[in-house]
Amino acid sequence: DTGVSQNPRHKITKRGQNVTFRCDPISEHNRLYWYRQTLGQGPEFLTYFQNEAQLEKSRLLSDRFSAERPKGSFSTLEIQRTEQGDSAMYLCASSEDRGRIYEQFFGPGTRLTVL
Amino acid sequence: AQTVTQSQPEMSVQEAETVTLSCTYDTSESDYYLFWYKQPPSRQMILVIRQEAYKQQNATENRFSVNFQKAAKSFSLKISDSQLGDAAMYFCAYSGTSGTYKYIFGTGTRLKVLA
Repeated sequence: DTGVSQNPRHKITKRGQNVTFRCDPISEHNRLYWYRQTLGQGPEFLTYFQNEAQLEKSRLLSDRFSAERPKGSFSTLEIQRTEQGDSAMYLCASSEDRGRIYEQFFGPGTRLTVL
Repeated sequence: AQTVTQSQPEMSVQEAETVTLSCTYDTSESDYYLFWYKQPPSRQMILVIRQEAYKQQNATENRFSVNFQKAAKSFSLKISDSQLGDAAMYFCAYSGTSGTYKYIFGTGTRLKVLA
């Protein structure tokens, strides 16, 4: 059982640069979520995929953010023209349709620092 | 919109003692899920315990139990026989029972366990 993996674990970039993060969910999970967690706060929902379809995007996801999940497997989150306010931990989670309780399994996160 | 509130930013407990972490939430839905997640330092979040709103019986998982008061919209976590390994951030989370099942998190409670 490999769990949810995320790469890279840490990313330091300069303001204005583009960054891309990858999430590999648990293989049989068809639901995939991205959250953002800033210091002292709980994670906040960014976007949701069911298989390859992106079904919901939060208002937090500005037009500089784009996410994909080709073929319903791994997912990528890209941030264009990064700003210092984008500095945060980006968490990925996955779950399967299993009974009534849809427990989400979280990855270790990608910590982004924008200088 | 649903909200989750954790009013205790930090709690301390002596090893082997019992501690209770508080969580309140607001929703107009009658059916939903509630979760407690643990986030150890620099490690991924893991599920501690979950509760379905339609179940009156409080959930229990070994040393962890909840006090679910639906009318009061309260969902506290009790940790018995606290261990050093329990030290972590604890997040309360809410999920609806339709649509994306995205989580709404509280701001977290940092639990310190004193030897």
